[in-house]
Amino acid sequence: AQSVTQLDSQVPVFEEAPVELRCNYSSSVSVYLFWYVQYPNQGLQLLLKYLSGSTLVKGINGFEAEFNKSQTSFHLRKPSVHISDTAEYFCAVSEGGDMRFGAGTRLTVKP
Amino acid sequence: KAGVTQTPRYLIKTRGQQVTLSCSPISGHRSVSWYQQTPGQGLQFLFEYFSETQRNKGNFPGRFSGRQFSNSRSEMNVSTLELGDSALYLCASSREGGINSPLHFGNGTRLTVT
Repeated sequence: AQSVTQLDSQVPVFEEAPVELRCNYSSSVSVYLFWYVQYPNQGLQLLLKYLSGSTLVKGINGFEAEFNKSQTSFHLRKPSVHISDTAEYFCAVSEGGDMRFGAGTRLTVKP
Repeated sequence: KAGVTQTPRYLIKTRGQQVTLSCSPISGHRSVSWYQQTPGQGLQFLFEYFSETQRNKGNFPGRFSGRQFSNSRSEMNVSTLELGDSALYLCASSREGGINSPLHFGNGTRLTVT
């Protein structure tokens, strides 16, 4: 069965700094990987997904993620964050019928 | 296009009671999934319905049940509520389900059990 580990529960950064949110997964078969963002008092919104093909995936709001099969990782990056990026970020893996989410990383962007 | 609508937004119930949550998917979406979100356990998959049939189920006790109507609207029921059922319940819809069909989430129903 697949599982997802988000290595950092909280990541504080200053505005305009780069950020990387780490995600590792475990699965015995091919997986499909996703990043979702949750703003306060809202549901989750899809940022990007990896299904196949190029390992570098670009998403909305300037985010991108790289699928690394050998390291079983799917880290999320943004070169320059804004205050509005403050939110909870969830990595998720789908191996079949259901989607399993990581525990989440709270990104706080400080001025 | 209207998004996924969950009602009510907030609920307060007492232990032992039962509760029904409602989810209206995006028009044209036939798959509806339910998730429980808590600070300790994160997001956990409850079940998925597609064309009025439960297609997938997570590891929750039988007190958690759901159904989907012919218009794709879905309800989730929790019977004999326990304090640990306090959580944000999120509903997500997608066109067909599966990995090629992105999930669209509602804003959730926050259930508090006292």
